[in-house]
Amino acid sequence: ETGVTQSPTHLIKTRGQQVTLRCSSQSGHNTVSWYQQALGQGPQFIFQYYREEENGRGNFPPRFSGLQFPNYSSELNVNALELDDSALYLCASSLGQLSEYGYTFGSGTRLTVV
Amino acid sequence: RKEVEQDPGPFNVPEGATVAFNCTYSNSASQSFFWYRQDCRKEPKLLMSVYSSGNEDGRFTAQLNRASQYISLLIRDSKLSDSATYLCVVTDSNYQLIWGAGTKLIIKP
Repeated sequence: ETGVTQSPTHLIKTRGQQVTLRCSSQSGHNTVSWYQQALGQGPQFIFQYYREEENGRGNFPPRFSGLQFPNYSSELNVNALELDDSALYLCASSLGQLSEYGYTFGSGTRLTVV
Repeated sequence: RKEVEQDPGPFNVPEGATVAFNCTYSNSASQSFFWYRQDCRKEPKLLMSVYSSGNEDGRFTAQLNRASQYISLLIRDSKLSDSATYLCVVTDSNYQLIWGAGTKLIIKP
């Protein structure tokens, strides 16, 4: 069984640009969650997708948006990038929308906004 | 007040020592509790779940006190390979993960 894969691994963008990050969930998992981890901090929950619908969102502005596809892979889109958006973006997949089944994390995308 | 608070660290300890991590959480409705380990520039990995009865996995022991809203992790006979950041994680009422900022552990030979 394959784990969670994220792409790209590293990315440099300019303030004001838009970025799309991608995540392929672990085989058999139907739920994907996205997290932002700033340097020296714990991950912060952005949102979760279950069966192609957003079913939970953290304290992030609307310029953070996402999609989940029929194969349960997912995208995170960030518009109008700001310097503070520089962080490690983590995707986690799980079986079911409740985390008691456990999460599998991808290795993350490190975004730098200059 | 942060939802999940951990010792700020870093902890610098000699190899073979016992290390204790503490964590408090603010939401009494939290249902599940975990310790994750994160190596530098890597993703977090589940170390162990934490149960009210306490649980042990080799050199690692986790405890939960729901009344005090307190979680602990004890590492005995620490190894160089234990050097990492340890993150305390609880779930909210929607089972979303709420993370502490982590405590960095440095084991010295």
